[in-house]
Amino acid sequence: SAVISQKPSRDICQRGTSLTIQCQVDSQVTMMFWYRQQPGQSLTLIATANQGSEATYESGFVIDKFPISRPNLTFSTLTVSNMSPEDSSIYLCSVAKTGTSGYNEQFFGPGTRLTVL
Amino acid sequence: AQSVAQPEDQVNVAEGNPLTVKCTYSVSGNPYLFWYVQYPNRGLQFLLKYITGDNLVKGSYGFEAEFNKSQTSFHLKKPSALVSDSALYFCAVRDSGHAGNTPLVFGKGTRLSVIA
Repeated sequence: SAVISQKPSRDICQRGTSLTIQCQVDSQVTMMFWYRQQPGQSLTLIATANQGSEATYESGFVIDKFPISRPNLTFSTLTVSNMSPEDSSIYLCSVAKTGTSGYNEQFFGPGTRLTVL
Repeated sequence: AQSVAQPEDQVNVAEGNPLTVKCTYSVSGNPYLFWYVQYPNRGLQFLLKYITGDNLVKGSYGFEAEFNKSQTSFHLKKPSALVSDSALYFCAVRDSGHAGNTPLVFGKGTRLSVIA
C-alpha cells in the first residue's frame, strides 16, 4: 500500500491569490495523479505527473492555471493559480502502486479542502 | 475510452433492510473495478475491488459487490443497512489492458441515506 499526506488539509484564500498544495508519499512511485472534487460532485482528474517530465493535463485543465511539480519519486505539488470562487473544491493527490492483489492499485491522500472567497 | 455510470443520485433505505447501489461500466478490455466511500468532511476510503477471480467480492464494513461481465455491472450491496452507512459512494474503473499506471475513472457518485 501507500501512505499519502497532503498539506495544507484546508485553507481559505482570497480571490486572485495562489495556493500550492503538497503531496508526500511514504514510498517511491512512478506516477502521481491530481484530482479535483467540486462540492457535491465526483472526482475529476486534473493531471498525471511523472517524475522528470512535464505533467499531462486532462481536457479543460491547463498548466498556467494548475502548474505541477514532481521533483522526485515521493513528492509533488499542485498550485491553483489566480483563484476564483469556482476553484473551491477538494483537491486530492493519488498514486498508483502494486497492491496486495499483485496488480496496480490506486491510493488516495486525505485531500485539501480549498475555499476561495 | 473508459466510463462509469451510477444511475441513481440518491438511494434511501430503512435501517436493517438490504441496500444496493448500482454501477455499470464501459472499458475496451477487462475491467479493474473499485468502490470508494466518502463520509461528510472526510477523505476517500477504499471499500472493495474486483481485479480477477471470484465474481462476488467482499469488502470493508460488511459490503460486497458482484461483478457481472455480461451486464457490465458491479453493484454494491449490503444485507442489512446501518444508519452509519449513510455517505457518498463512488464506483471507479480502470482498463486492465492499459499498460502502466493509468488513473481511475470515477462515477458521479450515489448518496446513500439510511433511515432509522
